[in-house]
Amino acid sequence: KNQVEQSPQSLIILEGKNCTLQCNYTVSPFSNLRWYKQDTGRGPVSLTIMTFSENTKSNGRYTATLDADTKQSSLHITASQLSDSASYICVVSAGGTASKLTFGTGTRLQVTL
Amino acid sequence: EPEVTQTPSHQVTQMGQEVILRCVPISNHLYFYWYRQILGQKVEFLVSFYNNEISEKSEIFDDQFSVERPDGSNFTLKIRSTKLEDSAMYFCASSVRLGGETQYFGPGTRLLVL
Repeated sequence: KNQVEQSPQSLIILEGKNCTLQCNYTVSPFSNLRWYKQDTGRGPVSLTIMTFSENTKSNGRYTATLDADTKQSSLHITASQLSDSASYICVVSAGGTASKLTFGTGTRLQVTL
Repeated sequence: EPEVTQTPSHQVTQMGQEVILRCVPISNHLYFYWYRQILGQKVEFLVSFYNNEISEKSEIFDDQFSVERPDGSNFTLKIRSTKLEDSAMYFCASSVRLGGETQYFGPGTRLLVL
């Protein structure tokens, strides 16, 4: 069964600090891995999409890594801001279609003063 | 920047009633999706739609669900006879293409079935 596990479940950090969120997956066959940011009560917003051949992708202060051999990904947030407070969801695709997307439960990040 | 919109933002209904959730996808997108997220749980795929027909659907998308694109802009999800367990946030999404393409999500409709 395809699964996506994320850790930690929740995280509190001080504004300005960096943090790294983890994602492990058992999805086959692997097509791509996405990170989404979801503010409370809102729809997910795409941060990055990585295919098998990519091992790093950045989007501003967000940098995602992918190790397809160990089936792990991380999302690194640099110089966190209060507006980074949200859930970060790892989504792995086993094919080119929406039904093949497996969502993680997310990491809830809170950035405080 | 173009965005996916959804109405209503909140809906409360009695068990057994029909509800229609509405979405306006981004105008040049060709693929449309519905997802749901039960409170505290993962986002789950319901259905995808392309060229006026269902492309794929999940096990959740049973006979009580239907989708329609009644005109050139709206995309609707109908739940014929709501159950308590249908209470969830329903997200519409759209993309230009399938595959490794970014899906743009709407803000969601929070449905509460009493």
